[in-house]
Order: sequence, then structure tokens, then C-alpha cells
Amino acid sequence: KQEVTQIPAALSVPEGENLVLNCSFTDSAIYNLQWFRQDPGKGLTSLLLIQSSQREQTSGRLNASLDKSSGRSTLYIAASQPGDSATYLCAEPGAAGNKLTFGGGTRVLVKP
Amino acid sequence: KAGVTQTPRYLIKTRGQQVTLSCSPISGHRSVSWYQQTPGQGLQFLFEYFSETQRNKGNFPGRFSGRQFSNSRSEMNVSTLELGDSALYLCASSFLVSDTQYFGPGTRLTVL
Repeated sequence: KQEVTQIPAALSVPEGENLVLNCSFTDSAIYNLQWFRQDPGKGLTSLLLIQSSQREQTSGRLNASLDKSSGRSTLYIAASQPGDSATYLCAEPGAAGNKLTFGGGTRVLVKP
Repeated sequence: KAGVTQTPRYLIKTRGQQVTLSCSPISGHRSVSWYQQTPGQGLQFLFEYFSETQRNKGNFPGRFSGRQFSNSRSEMNVSTLELGDSALYLCASSFLVSDTQYFGPGTRLTVL
């Protein structure tokens, strides 16, 4: 059974600092890994999808890396802003297609 | 292009009742997945449909069921509601299996 873990569960940083969010997974045959953002009481917003054949993916201030050998993915958010405050979740579909297994999320607070 | 829509957004039911939730995927998307989100268990996969066929099912009791119509719209049904069914139910759609999943805003179900 694949497992996805995110540590820490919460983190607080001052505005302007770079954010580093960690995601660990047990599935060595990972197909891809997706990062999402969730604002309180809302649905999930897709941020980045990184394929197993890729080492990293970038979108604006966001950069996600994937290291299958160590079972880790990292999401970097450069120059954080108060609007980046949210819960960030990572998930992987395993071999079953769209059956995403989610980590518990990291709740981020960016202080002005 | 319109995003994933879910109706209703909020529901209050009593124990023993049944409920039907609806999801309209992004136009052209044929895969629809459902997830349950609770503070204690996080995000858990319920089921996935592709071209009207259930591809995967999560570890939920038979009281939880779903279907997909020929226009890709999907419904999920929960019968004999229990207090523990109170949750945010999220629907996601994707163009292909193992593609980026796009989530709707969710339906907040409260069981009294």
C-alpha cells in the first residue's frame, strides 16, 4: 500500500522568504506526482504535475523536484507572499491511474 | 473553459437519510473521481469513472455508490447516512487517466 507523507504539518515564514515543502512517498514505481493548493473550505487547485521521467517542473515562482530513488519531492516557492498562505498537498496516482493517494498536507502561513 | 462544478455546495441531512451529489466535469474530460475529506482522515479516494465505467473503488462501505452518464457528468449517492459521513466531498476531472486532475469546489455535507 503506497503512503505519502508531508512534514512538517504546519510552517510559518516571514514574507519574502523562500518556502520549501517536502513530500515523501513509498511507491518506487511512481507514475507522476502532483502538487495542489487548498484554501480553507475550498477545493484543490492544481499547481504542478511532475512526471516520473522528469526531475523538475517550473511554473512562475513555483518549482517542484522529484527524486524517485529517495522517494522524495520538494516544492519550492520563491519570495513568498501573504497570498501564498494555504495548505499544500502532494499526491500520487500509483499504478491505478487516477486513484490519488494524498499526503496530510502542510499548512503554510506567510506573515507580512 | 468552465471548471469543475459541484451541486449542491452545502447539504444538511439527518442520520438514516440518503443523499445524491452531482459533479459536472470540465468540457471534454472523460474521467471523474470522487474524494472525501475529513479533518481526521484527510483526503481519501472514493471511486473513479471513465467513459461511464467504474475503474477504481476506494475502501468505503457499499452505502457509497456512484455513476457516470454519457455526457461525463457524475453522481455519487450515500445511503443510510451516519454522523461520520459529515465531510467535504470533492470531485475531480481529467482528460486522460493519470493526467492532471482538476478539482471542483466541493459539497459540504453535514449529518445531524
